[in-house]
Amino acid sequence: EPEVTQTPSHQVTQMGQEVILRCVPISNHLYFYWYRQILGQKVEFLVSFYNNEISEKSEIFDDQFSVERPDGSNFTLKIRSTKLEDSAMYFCASSGGGAETQYFGPGTRLLVL
Amino acid sequence: DAKTTQPPSMDCAEGRAANLPCNHSTISGNEYVYWYRQIHSQGPQYIIHGLKNNETNEMASLIITEDRKSSTLILPHATLRDTAVYYCIVIRGGADGLTFGKGTHLIIQP
Repeated sequence: EPEVTQTPSHQVTQMGQEVILRCVPISNHLYFYWYRQILGQKVEFLVSFYNNEISEKSEIFDDQFSVERPDGSNFTLKIRSTKLEDSAMYFCASSGGGAETQYFGPGTRLLVL
Repeated sequence: DAKTTQPPSMDCAEGRAANLPCNHSTISGNEYVYWYRQIHSQGPQYIIHGLKNNETNEMASLIITEDRKSSTLILPHATLRDTAVYYCIVIRGGADGLTFGKGTHLIIQP
């Protein structure tokens, strides 16, 4: 069964460093999403991406965040200058579009020291 | 997207049916009801969704009231592995992000 994959599973970084989180969506999907979950809190939507551009973004997704689909398979989230409060699980999701279901990856646990 | 209300926690005995309620009284005609669950800090797992009609798949059944203002997720024979936080989400679809609430923490008791 096709699934969304994410790498790395864990990442530790120093405050102020740039990180890139990678996702491989399900192959025939057209919509891509990033979510985050701070420990003990709700899953929060960050951004959606369709047709090589951002479709929707939340207030959390400020100028330090960016997304890219560098090739036909990967979808990345870049955090330009990490802060302590960026420590969280980051989930990628993809869907076929329309009212189709979003399927989530296993997440990347980011720890900023 | 419409707001949903769920009980914060529920218990269910192993082998019994778990019935998880959700209120979505402000749902619009073009919004779907989706159910996901999250086990520990794993990625949310899709369970089932519906628009107007009741739905069933290999994991669960979804009962939507005729006025669409509430729904119930039914896990017919709960196992210990069904212990998780269950989220009821209303969404139009497309590029819309999912809005997760606090969900219902379902605990299956042996």
